[in-house]
Amino acid sequence: ETGVTQSPTHLIKTRGQQVTLRCSSQSGHNTVSWYQQALGQGPQFIFQYYREEENGRGNFPPRFSGLQFPNYSSELNVNALELDDSALYLCASSTDSNYGYTFGSGTRLTVV
Amino acid sequence: QQQVKQSPQSLIVQKGGISIINCAYENTAFDYFPWYQQFPGKGPALLIAIRPDVSEKKEGRFTISFNKSAKQFSLHIMDSQPGDSATYFCAARFTNSGYALNFGKGTSLLVTP
Repeated sequence: ETGVTQSPTHLIKTRGQQVTLRCSSQSGHNTVSWYQQALGQGPQFIFQYYREEENGRGNFPPRFSGLQFPNYSSELNVNALELDDSALYLCASSTDSNYGYTFGSGTRLTVV
Repeated sequence: QQQVKQSPQSLIVQKGGISIINCAYENTAFDYFPWYQQFPGKGPALLIAIRPDVSEKKEGRFTISFNKSAKQFSLHIMDSQPGDSATYFCAARFTNSGYALNFGKGTSLLVTP
């Protein structure tokens, strides 16, 4: 059973709308990353937060933004949704000393 | 561009056989190479990982072989079982980009009874 919980599990939005996806990490996991996984592809790194500060970003536009909170929860916000944003969005967390990441089961976003 | 290239795209192995998945990387700054297993509707789960100072790591039926000079690493699943049927992803971590994992495109493994 994963220690990372994501909500909602599925979501349908209209092009141009905004969406907020949520993630609850394991206690003590002060690093959280977000990934986008298109159908049939490997996850693509969006960004990472460490102790509530963004410390790494992949090749995603600024309309993808995030927040990390002191209680180990985090959010991924996407503005001005496009059809190509349809994907599985994965949250992953880890500790300082752990090279591995624990992934949640993801949020399946469909943009119509 | 794809920093980690994975092959084959799909693989069918009989129960009890050996499954082999290969990955190649370009950036020599990568310092951590994990393999993830993903079942439908689930997120990737860490299976096994290796650092570049080690040539082989074994955990149960799963073995990573690492060839630093060739910039290649592979996953071997011994005595493959139907329950191993899943999508497998290799990945590499590049420390200059906030520890981001760079994933391969995945291999869909089917183990037949």
